[in-house]
Amino acid sequence: VTQNPRYLITVTGKKLTVTCSQNMNHEYMSWYRQDPGMGLRLIHYSVGEGTTAKGEVPDGYNVSRLKKQNFLLGLESAAPSQTSVYFCASSYRPHRIGDEQYFGPGTRLTVT
Amino acid sequence: GDSVTQMEGPVTLSEEAFLTINCTYTATGYPSLFWYVQYPGEGLQLLLKATKADDKGSNKGFEATYRKETTSFHLEKGSVQVSDSAVYFCALRDNNDMRFGAGTRLTVKP
Repeated sequence: VTQNPRYLITVTGKKLTVTCSQNMNHEYMSWYRQDPGMGLRLIHYSVGEGTTAKGEVPDGYNVSRLKKQNFLLGLESAAPSQTSVYFCASSYRPHRIGDEQYFGPGTRLTVT
Repeated sequence: GDSVTQMEGPVTLSEEAFLTINCTYTATGYPSLFWYVQYPGEGLQLLLKATKADDKGSNKGFEATYRKETTSFHLEKGSVQVSDSAVYFCALRDNNDMRFGAGTRLTVKP
């Protein structure tokens, strides 16, 4: 799983997009944010090409899955509260019991 | 909703010491349980998993048993090494929803 860019610094109000790509033919892809002392929290996920769904903390983010191998995370208007490390993850099947997720290396976003 | 509670860190141990990191969960369904490990500057890697009650997951000397009666999935290792220094996350997956604990930072000193 790869993410691009790995580091991003922007200002309040800017629009930005982070790309996640996987070449394992996985159906399920997801975006998390990681904040100190809070673990990872699910933002949005997708169970297949053309589908998206909200996770635990979806507000302020949008996603798209136009191609099976790519899952894009968008911020329409970046806010300082969205400063975080973002991880993409994927797995084979949405409902397969015990399916592990494969994580990307993370994207560190700073909003000033 | 579902949630995971993990013992707070940081945890500092000497090499060859015994490790326990406590994890309890709350879930309405029958989740799968996981331990992930994160090394500095990297994404999470699966350490072990268990998919039903009384299952024991194990890998690299780490073990955890899915205890439905106590809703727990505690991580243990008999003899830690310096290379085990990392952040450990307990997690549960119930269909498409995945919840993580806050993470426990482990430092092992020579």
